[in-house]
Amino acid sequence: DIVMTQTPLSSPVTLGQPASISCRSTQSLVHSDGNTYLSWLQQRPGQPPRLLIHKISNRFSGVPDRFSGSGAGTDFTLKISRVEAEDVGVYYCIQATHWPWTFGQGTKVEIK
Amino acid sequence: EVQLAESGGGLEQPGGSLRLSCAASGFTFSTYSMSWVRQVPGKGLEWVSYISSSSSTIYYADSVKGRFTISRDNAKNSLYLQMDYLRAEDTAVYYCMRGYGGYFDLWGRGTLVTVSS
Repeated sequence: DIVMTQTPLSSPVTLGQPASISCRSTQSLVHSDGNTYLSWLQQRPGQPPRLLIHKISNRFSGVPDRFSGSGAGTDFTLKISRVEAEDVGVYYCIQATHWPWTFGQGTKVEIK
Repeated sequence: EVQLAESGGGLEQPGGSLRLSCAASGFTFSTYSMSWVRQVPGKGLEWVSYISSSSSTIYYADSVKGRFTISRDNAKNSLYLQMDYLRAEDTAVYYCMRGYGGYFDLWGRGTLVTVSS
């Protein structure tokens, strides 16, 4: 199975400052169809997960443009340009290129 | 309103069975692939099972293979997870999720399954 490793596991951030989360996979996530099915999810406290980014860098509808995704192959990054209070929660990467689909351990973003 | 609503969770003894349901509304359920994802309270997410729109393709995580069965009834806009031979480690909130290829655009609020004697 593909192992997804996120760093850091906890990210205390000052409001208005940037945050960055890394996600690394044990195998390339490039699918045979040429796409890379790496997504980012946000889970606010007490809420189900919600989609932020799919296929590395495509923001889902309604997601603020302060969220951006980048990367290729086995290394991916989620960036929040200026953290707002509503961004507090746990962020997960998930690969959907290979079966079984696997998640990163999650990164908790909190305000300092 | 486009939504997914899970039900069927509860307390069950080890070795017992539960059947989870996920009711879909506000969209054409029959055209979407669906999955179950679980989360031990306070822990991370684990993908459990996937079913394609026509039920022709089904996958399971190794941790549930042979014990859980995913199914759907497109006429009833419903997704199911039959959970047999339950173990303590199956205790989790179970979410149904819409999508494929990483485009997981709709999630239910989850239903809690507790396996304990």
